[in-house]
Amino acid sequence: KAGVTQTPRYLIKTRGQQVTLSCSPISGHRSVSWYQQTPGQGLQFLFEYFSETQRNKGNFPGRFSGRQFSNSRSEMNVSTLELGDSALYLCASSLWDRITEGELFFGEGSRLTVL
Amino acid sequence: AQTVTQSQPEMSVQEAETVTLSCTYDTSESNYYLFWYKQPPSRQMILVIRQEAYKQQNATENRFSVNFQKAAKSFSLKISDSQLGDTAMYFCAFMKLGGTGNQFYFGTGTSLTVIP
Repeated sequence: KAGVTQTPRYLIKTRGQQVTLSCSPISGHRSVSWYQQTPGQGLQFLFEYFSETQRNKGNFPGRFSGRQFSNSRSEMNVSTLELGDSALYLCASSLWDRITEGELFFGEGSRLTVL
Repeated sequence: AQTVTQSQPEMSVQEAETVTLSCTYDTSESNYYLFWYKQPPSRQMILVIRQEAYKQQNATENRFSVNFQKAAKSFSLKISDSQLGDTAMYFCAFMKLGGTGNQFYFGTGTSLTVIP
């Protein structure tokens, strides 16, 4: 079974630009969540989607947005990029077919550098 | 709000020795899961071990075991017979049950180096 796939793996942008990152979950997984990882901050939760609906949202500005498609693939978008947005963005999928199901399966991440 | 604290940014251990990584958390929830995730230098995070808060018995997965102290809100990871492949960043994570959806709270991580 293929794992979680994130594209692109690396990208460089300049301040003010926007970026779109893509995540393909494990087949059958309907929950997709996004995290921002920076040194010293650990993983910060961005948002979670389930069946094309955003179920949870972290404490990030509105420049960060996401969506999920009918095939469970998800994208996140960051507009008006700032230097502080440089980070590893991780996508994770999970089954979430029972209330107790919670294990996250992570992709390798998209490394964003903002110059 | 839930918070997860890992007070050891870096640790090292000799190969074949035992090491314990610390994690404390703060929550008012009574039903939740706790996890340890491992992120090797290649960066794909994988689950090491999981503990349900309602279970008193500590979880064990081969060389990995936890010491779960619910009253103290402590969840440490013990790695026995450390191997070079254990070198990684380790994250402690909390997930509450009963909410709508999947929201994890992660600590800032402990970088573990296994020395040959």
